[in-house]
Amino acid sequence: SQQGEEDPQALSIQEGENATMNCSYKTSINNLQWYRQNSGRGLVHLILIRSNEREKHSGRLRVTLDTSKKSSSLLITASRAADTASYFCAPSWDSGAGSYQLTFGKGTKLSVIP
Amino acid sequence: KAGVTQTPRYLIKTRGQQVTLSCSPISGHRSVSWYQQTPGQGLQFLFEYFSETQRNKGNFPGRFSGRQFSNSRSEMNVSTLELGDSALYLCASKTGGASEKLFFGSGTQLSVL
Repeated sequence: SQQGEEDPQALSIQEGENATMNCSYKTSINNLQWYRQNSGRGLVHLILIRSNEREKHSGRLRVTLDTSKKSSSLLITASRAADTASYFCAPSWDSGAGSYQLTFGKGTKLSVIP
Repeated sequence: KAGVTQTPRYLIKTRGQQVTLSCSPISGHRSVSWYQQTPGQGLQFLFEYFSETQRNKGNFPGRFSGRQFSNSRSEMNVSTLELGDSALYLCASKTGGASEKLFFGSGTQLSVL
């Protein structure tokens, strides 16, 4: 399967703590993206890391990518109650049709307790 | 710039009926993808349309179909609905390039009774 698989499935932390979510995938990728989804709504893009990059930062987000292990991690520092959501990784891979396809897993459900 | 618009927001149907969902992408975006989200299976890719042509297709039965119009608006149709088709259907658009992020709509919540 080309989809990303997030781990853990659920994570509960106190406000102010850091949250780390992991992603594994099985195919060669062009890039890997992380998305966030608030309950029952559409997904929102957080960050994109290319296959030749190892680490990327955006505000309180830090993403790492290890293509040799086919894995990525998302770190949210100093979490807030508003960070409560589901987080998905999406490997972007060459579908062979002149396009790149994103496939998603089941996500990590993060709960930040005030 | 308006975001991705999906209509309707909620839909209730009975088994055996058919349903059509609509998606209007962000202006200038030529690629529209559809995903099905259920608690058990997560987000599963249905298909992608680019310039009115289906470019990629997921592993769904032929009851699921779609199309894209010249203005990039897209529709997906599910015929002979089954209880298992109850899900949140999400549409996403992008301009069409390789390394691009997707912009998602709020989804259509379909309930099949």
